[in-house]
Amino acid sequence: QKEVEQDPGPLSVPEGAIVSLNCTYSNSAFQYFMWYRQYSRKGPELLMYTYSSGNKEDGRFTAQVDKSSKYISLFIRDSQPSDSATYLCAMSGPGTASKLTFGTGTRLQVTL
Amino acid sequence: NAGVTQTPKFQVLKTGQSMTLQCAQDMNHNSMYWYRQDPGMGLRLIYYSASEGTTDKGEVPNGYNVSRLNKREFSLRLESAAPSQTSVYFCASSESLGTYNSPLHFGNGTRLTVT
Repeated sequence: QKEVEQDPGPLSVPEGAIVSLNCTYSNSAFQYFMWYRQYSRKGPELLMYTYSSGNKEDGRFTAQVDKSSKYISLFIRDSQPSDSATYLCAMSGPGTASKLTFGTGTRLQVTL
Repeated sequence: NAGVTQTPKFQVLKTGQSMTLQCAQDMNHNSMYWYRQDPGMGLRLIYYSASEGTTDKGEVPNGYNVSRLNKREFSLRLESAAPSQTSVYFCASSESLGTYNSPLHFGNGTRLTVT
């Protein structure tokens, strides 16, 4: 079993929909949680990061961490065609915030 | 604002050939990394360099060597390429290693095929 599980999709939604992307993990030592967005033929770019449990909001994006369930989510409100990309969750333990364990990514397509 | 630059963008090798992937960053970051990305496997860390003059193995180092040439440059060498090394290779950098507020910045990858 992988340390981080992520549904590969693809997930197809109409423009304006609310999107929910999720990851589960097995390592209870993980404390830092990040979401990266990767456009086709490009490198991943950091979208959001959170520490421990709770919510963090940035514009149309909300990251949520539930450490008791070992479950993290990324919500995208009012989704746009420009949000079409692969979304990678990533996480790490204490003292190793830059040595990340990545999920395999969920491919999202937002249609007009 | 170049960020992290990788060369070449594409490469085809025959089994047994060698090559070096180049990476340079212009953000004055201390730490640099090499990842490979394969379908269904996610990004896996090959080697990293916490600071100039140091390198350490990551999750999948076998078959690779690295050189931290200076603060800006971090190269990855395949001495004898194998088909299992067919992948997309990403270089990344961060301000420091192990700091929460030090996210990774990635290049756009090198697509390597070994036949």
